[in-house]
Amino acid sequence: DAGVTQSPTHLIKTRGQQVTLRCSPKSGHDTVSWYQQALGQGPQFIFQYYEEEERQRGNFPDRFSGHQFPNYSSELNVNALLLGDSALYLCASSSTVQLSGLFYGYTFGSGTRLTVV
Amino acid sequence: TQLLEQSPQFLSIQEGENLTVYCNSSSVFSSLQWYRQEPGEGPVLLVTVVTGGEVKKLKRLTFQFGDARKDSSLHITAAQPGDTGLYLCAGPEGTSGSRLTFGEGTQLTVNP
Repeated sequence: DAGVTQSPTHLIKTRGQQVTLRCSPKSGHDTVSWYQQALGQGPQFIFQYYEEEERQRGNFPDRFSGHQFPNYSSELNVNALLLGDSALYLCASSSTVQLSGLFYGYTFGSGTRLTVV
Repeated sequence: TQLLEQSPQFLSIQEGENLTVYCNSSSVFSSLQWYRQEPGEGPVLLVTVVTGGEVKKLKRLTFQFGDARKDSSLHITAAQPGDTGLYLCAGPEGTSGSRLTFGEGTQLTVNP
């Protein structure tokens, strides 16, 4: 059973460029969330996609955008890259089927390490 | 925004020792989760605690949710080098509950 797959694993970009990161969720999961994890810190929520729409968004600028496809896979796009965008970008999948109205956790991918120079 | 504070930030111990890491908040959470993250990997869910006062055991790991659902602890008995990693606590926020806020983590190193 394949878990969450992210590509590429590593990426180096120059300031001002644009980048697209990709994610395939775990089989049976229909919701994809993206997190940014700076070195030495916990992940921070960027946004969440369900039914091909952005459902929730964290405190990130509009340079960060995303998309979800009919097969539930997702992309994260970042425009006008800044040095501060260097981080590990994590994709997390989950199912909208929840027990007792509680959220029981994500399955994370291994992440894409983005370095902006 | 609900914040989670973890302590200690770093912990280096010898194999066989016991340890406890803490996750505290001034806010009430409907549930809390613990993840472990190894270098170059994404976080892996260890446990979800949902009831105030709940204690869950996973082999040598014991997780406790505070009575007021504002804090949690992770206790590891007889730590092994394979326990090395970043331990993260996380709690749901937002209307759907599936948006998580994470603590900054406890970096645990168990030396052979």
